[in-house]
Amino acid sequence: GENVEQHPSTLSVQEGDSAVIKCTYSDSASNYFPWYKQELGKGPQLIIDIRSNVGEKKDQRIAVTLNKTAKHFSLHITETQPEDSAVYFCAASISAGNQFYFGTGTSLTVIP
Amino acid sequence: GAVVSQHPSRVICKSGTSVKIECRSLDFQATTMFWYRQFPKQSLMLMATSNEGSKATYEQGVEKDKFLINHASLTLSTLTVTSAHPEDSSFYICSARLSGGGSPDTQYFGPGTRLTVL
Repeated sequence: GENVEQHPSTLSVQEGDSAVIKCTYSDSASNYFPWYKQELGKGPQLIIDIRSNVGEKKDQRIAVTLNKTAKHFSLHITETQPEDSAVYFCAASISAGNQFYFGTGTSLTVIP
Repeated sequence: GAVVSQHPSRVICKSGTSVKIECRSLDFQATTMFWYRQFPKQSLMLMATSNEGSKATYEQGVEKDKFLINHASLTLSTLTVTSAHPEDSSFYICSARLSGGGSPDTQYFGPGTRLTVL
């Protein structure tokens, strides 16, 4: 089955700096890669996703890149703000309606 | 984005009792819903996939007789933890698949239910 690895497990950045979280996956059949933000005691919130037919997608301060050959994808957050502090999970799936395989999460702290 | 609700948000029960958790898609119909559990500082682990009108598909190691799932309508799935024990204490999260109608096919998560079994 699919195996998703996520790094780093914790990340601290100064407000205004950029944050990058990386994930790798093992199943070349995976073609849908969402990113979720989870605040303490709440459910995950979809922040951005990418499908395998594109290499990059951007939404304001958030971007995701995908390298299908290397089987890795990354989340980039620019101009970080304290409210970006949360746990971020990547996931991989062979389609959006199928089972998601989640990474182990990255706890991001943005220091004011 | 689409909204998924869960009820209750928190529940505390005595060992041996049963607890029902509801997951609703509020503004869309979901033919498929997923149930996850999450232990502190860990990732989400899929428990089962729930399809409207049919039996749920359980992941390996998940007891189907202990975690009863019912998906009776396109907007509601329920998870019942039967004869709960302290080791069942966890954060239970559902997600619903949004598909069709011109919207991208993706999943939206509920806010989670914190179950504590005494």
